[in-house]
This record gives sequence, structure tokens and C-alpha cells, in this order.
Amino acid sequence: AQKVTQAQTEISVVEKEDVTLDCVYETRDTTYYLFWYKQPPSGELVFLIRRNSFDEQNEISGRYSWNFQKSTSSFNFTITASQVVDSAVYFCALGGATGGGNKLTFGTGTQLKVEL
Amino acid sequence: KAGVTQTPRYLIKTRGQQVTLSCSPISGHRSVSWYQQTPGQGLQFLFEYFSETQRNKGNFPGRFSGRQFSNSRSEMNVSTLELGDSALYLCASSLGAGQAFQYFGPGTRLTVT
Repeated sequence: AQKVTQAQTEISVVEKEDVTLDCVYETRDTTYYLFWYKQPPSGELVFLIRRNSFDEQNEISGRYSWNFQKSTSSFNFTITASQVVDSAVYFCALGGATGGGNKLTFGTGTQLKVEL
Repeated sequence: KAGVTQTPRYLIKTRGQQVTLSCSPISGHRSVSWYQQTPGQGLQFLFEYFSETQRNKGNFPGRFSGRQFSNSRSEMNVSTLELGDSALYLCASSLGAGQAFQYFGPGTRLTVT
């Protein structure tokens, strides 16, 4: 079975601070995909990033960066110079289970509050 | 290109009634997945349809059912509504099978009284 753990329930930062959201996953599959989604108050899940299990290269995209480490089963997400508009719930998700099609297993989410 | 649309956006039903929710995927997308989001259980996978066939199903009772039409539009139905069915129901659309990028709709907020 697949499992995603987001231990941080809520994080509060002041604008312009950097913030890292933690994600730990469990899977027996050798091929899998990891995702980060953002859910603003409107409710719609907004896709942020996707990595597959064979690509541990960490990248930076604008103010977003991620750190994928298979050795520790972690897929952390960092926002640099946070802004008030970044306030939302962030979900880490795992997919790609054998025979699972497009099914995603989500973590419980981290509420990020960015204040002025 | 239009995004995923879900109708209705808000719905209030009474316990024991049934409800049908609709999802129109992005044009050209053939896979539609449904998720239930509640404060207590979080985001949980309901089922996935691809080319009118149910490919996967989550751990939900038989009261929850769905279908997909030839134009890829999907509906989900919940019969004999219970208070615990109150949730945000999200639909996700993707081009193909096997962890393609998934795009979510705005959701349908169902309240059961």
C-alpha cells in the first residue's frame, strides 16, 4: 500500500521568508511519481510539480524548488521569498502504483500562512 | 483551452436522497478520476474512468458509483445520502493512462442535512 506523510499541519511565516514543506512517502513500487499540489481557499487543486522515481535531479523553478531523496523517501518542497499569495494548503501526492492507473494517494496537507 | 468543469458547484441534499455530480474533462482528455475531500479523512480516491471503463476503485461503499460517456464526460452518483457524505468532490482529468499530468476541477461542495 502507498502512504504519504506530511507531518507539518500548519506553518506560519512572514513574507519574504523561505519555507520548506516536508513530505515522506512509502511505496513498494520501483516506478512511481511524486507530486505537489496547492489548494487555495477557492478549493481547486493546482498542479505544481511532478517527479518520477528515476529522476532525483533537484531543480529550481522560479521561487519553487524541491529536494527528492529516494534514500530517505522524502520529497520536500521549498518556496523562496514567500508571498502572501502563497497562502494555501499544500498537498504532497504519490502515484504510479502497479495497476493503479492515475490514482493518487495524498498526504494530509500543510496549511501555509504567509503574513505581512 | 477550457479547464475541467464541474457542475453543480454547490449542492444541498437531505439524508436519504440521491445525488448526481458531473465532470467535463479538458478537451481530448480520456481519463477522469474522482476524489472526496473531508476535514476528517482528507483527500480520498473514489474511482477512475478511462475510455468509458472503470479502471480503479477506492474503498467506498457501493452507494458511490460512476460512469463515463463516449465524450469523456463523467458523472458520479451517491445514493441514500448520509451526513458523512458531506464533502468537496473533486474531479481530475488527464490525457492518458499511467500517471499522466492530472488537472483538477473546482469541485462540487455537497452538504447533506
